[in-house]
Amino acid sequence: GAVVSQHPSRVICKSGTSVKIECRSLDFQATTMFWYRQFPKQSLMLMATSNEGSKATYEQGVEKDKFLINHASLTLSTLTVTSAHPEDSSFYICSVREGVSEQYFGPGTRLTVT
Amino acid sequence: GNSVTQMEGPVTLSEEAFLTINCTYTATGYPSLFWYVQYPGEGLQLLLKATKADDKGSNKGFEATYRKETTSFHLEKGSVQVSDSAVYFCALISQAGTALIFGKGTTLSVSS
Repeated sequence: GAVVSQHPSRVICKSGTSVKIECRSLDFQATTMFWYRQFPKQSLMLMATSNEGSKATYEQGVEKDKFLINHASLTLSTLTVTSAHPEDSSFYICSVREGVSEQYFGPGTRLTVT
Repeated sequence: GNSVTQMEGPVTLSEEAFLTINCTYTATGYPSLFWYVQYPGEGLQLLLKATKADDKGSNKGFEATYRKETTSFHLEKGSVQVSDSAVYFCALISQAGTALIFGKGTTLSVSS
């Protein structure tokens, strides 16, 4: 299946700053990528669906002005957490959709906001 | 709406024990069902899947059968190993959907 990387794997930032997380599909051209958030000992919650060349589709309750998603190419989607606060600290995971139902996940990015 | 319910963990077993992790779902139509595994410090990996009723997904000794009548997709393995220690997630994609809907995950810990 598709190989997906994320960068950085860990990031610590100060409250009020912005952080950009990259998701790359290394061997597959992905028209659709997904961004999830995972809290400790909890499930993955879908944040948004990122479509190459168009605006992302956000899930209910996810602030699109806070979590900016850009899918500028078939191999790269970025998630920018703007004006981060401690409650944004979490594990962010992206995935690539290959075919009708297959999804392949990146290793995740641990964000800590101090 | 669509949802997935997994048994609460953690599940603690000795090596070579039999494993069952229960998963039930709620969905309209005929969803595709998945088990993903997350090893410590790694990303999610697809373990197995089933796309229609009575299908059996299998991989690395794990099995799960898509039971439409009981809306279940329980994960089983006859003899677990220490290396199976991980978090297991049951998930579905509805017929009309594109994104995965996950259960809360079950932590498995296997000791030698």
